[in-house]
Amino acid sequence: GQNIDQPTEMTATEGAIVQINCTYQTSGFNGLFWYQQHAGEAPTFLSYNVLDGLEEKGRFSSFLSRSKGYSYLLLKELQMKDSASYLCAVHPSNTNAGKSTFGDGTTLTVKP
Amino acid sequence: DAGITQSPRHKVTETGTPVTLRCHQTENHRYMYWYRQDPGHGLRLIHYSYGVKDTDKGEVSDGYSVSRSKTEDFLLTLESATSSQTSVYFCAIAGPQGQGDTQYFGPGTRLTVL
Repeated sequence: GQNIDQPTEMTATEGAIVQINCTYQTSGFNGLFWYQQHAGEAPTFLSYNVLDGLEEKGRFSSFLSRSKGYSYLLLKELQMKDSASYLCAVHPSNTNAGKSTFGDGTTLTVKP
Repeated sequence: DAGITQSPRHKVTETGTPVTLRCHQTENHRYMYWYRQDPGHGLRLIHYSYGVKDTDKGEVSDGYSVSRSKTEDFLLTLESATSSQTSVYFCAIAGPQGQGDTQYFGPGTRLTVL
């Protein structure tokens, strides 16, 4: 099965940098996703890592270490609109239906 | 944005009544999913489908059934709603490979069972 851990809440200041960690234990691994979810809205895709290393997309970067079962999402130059929940999701390899298992999410509050 | 809609968007019903939620996609994606989201529990998979008439259970399937008679529609039925099924329900689609595919979510249905 899968076990995914991420912090429940984080607070940061506008303009700063924040790192949201995700650790996982899975019986197989075929990629890790990060989704953003604003309050009252649906989750939306942010990033996907399947190989070790850093993937950069503008202000957002995501890192993966498969040997450590660890990922982080790095948000730079924080803006108020970045206040949201960030979901880590792991995609196991032993499945025929593309299932992902989601962590409970990290609620990020950006303060002025 | 992926073409995925859910209906109804909001519903209030009474304990013991049947409820059907509909998910409709225009992307011709193979995979479709139903999740529920509750405070403190993140997204939990109820049922999923990997093709027409091909469905399987997720981690919280008790009390729910699904059907997929067409590629574009995935129905979630609560045969006899209970208060514990009060939640926000999200449909998602992915494809064509399944593994490694991004999931795209519908807008959600807020269900209240009194």
